[in-house]
Amino acid sequence: EPEVTQTPSHQVTQMGQEVILRCVPISNHLYFYWYRQILGQKVEFLVSFYNNEISEKSEIFDDQFSVERPDGSNFTLKIRSTKLEDSAMYFCASGPGRMNTEAFFGQGTRLTVV
Amino acid sequence: KQEVTQIPAALSVPEGENLVLNCSFTDSAIYNLQWFRQDPGKGLTSLLLIQSSQREQTSGRLNASLDKSSGRSTLYIAASQPGDSATYLCAVQGNDMRFGAGTRLTVKP
Repeated sequence: EPEVTQTPSHQVTQMGQEVILRCVPISNHLYFYWYRQILGQKVEFLVSFYNNEISEKSEIFDDQFSVERPDGSNFTLKIRSTKLEDSAMYFCASGPGRMNTEAFFGQGTRLTVV
Repeated sequence: KQEVTQIPAALSVPEGENLVLNCSFTDSAIYNLQWFRQDPGKGLTSLLLIQSSQREQTSGRLNASLDKSSGRSTLYIAASQPGDSATYLCAVQGNDMRFGAGTRLTVKP
């Protein structure tokens, strides 16, 4: 069964460093998303991406974040200068459509900023 | 701003019980509602998707209902099993997807 895959599963980085989280969405999906879940808190929407551009973003998704679809299969989230409060589980999701279709989530990347 | 609330926050039941998890949301202008399962430290597994025009969806022992006008959804789990132990999240899709905090379910053998 097709699935969304994320790498790495766990990343530890020093404060101030740049990190890139990688995702391979399901191949025929057109909409891609990033969410994060700080330990013990709700899953929060970060950004949605369609047709090679951001379609929606939350207030969390500030200038230190960026997303890219560098090729036909990968979807990346870059955090330019990590802060301690960026430590969270980051989930990638994809869907065939936007509003009326099911979103499929990856297993997440646990980011720890030290 | 859409707010999603789930009650109870935690629930512990003996194996075999039928149970109901509740989800409420403040803005009824949604496209769909999705229920997920999350095991500790793991990703989100989609359980059921209910379109805004639908009233319920069923998958095996799971049944989810949606009353969009009152901003409520329930997830009914029949004949619960220890393997059902997990956190159950509901999420509503508007311009973005908003999640509840989840109900942590423990089914005791």
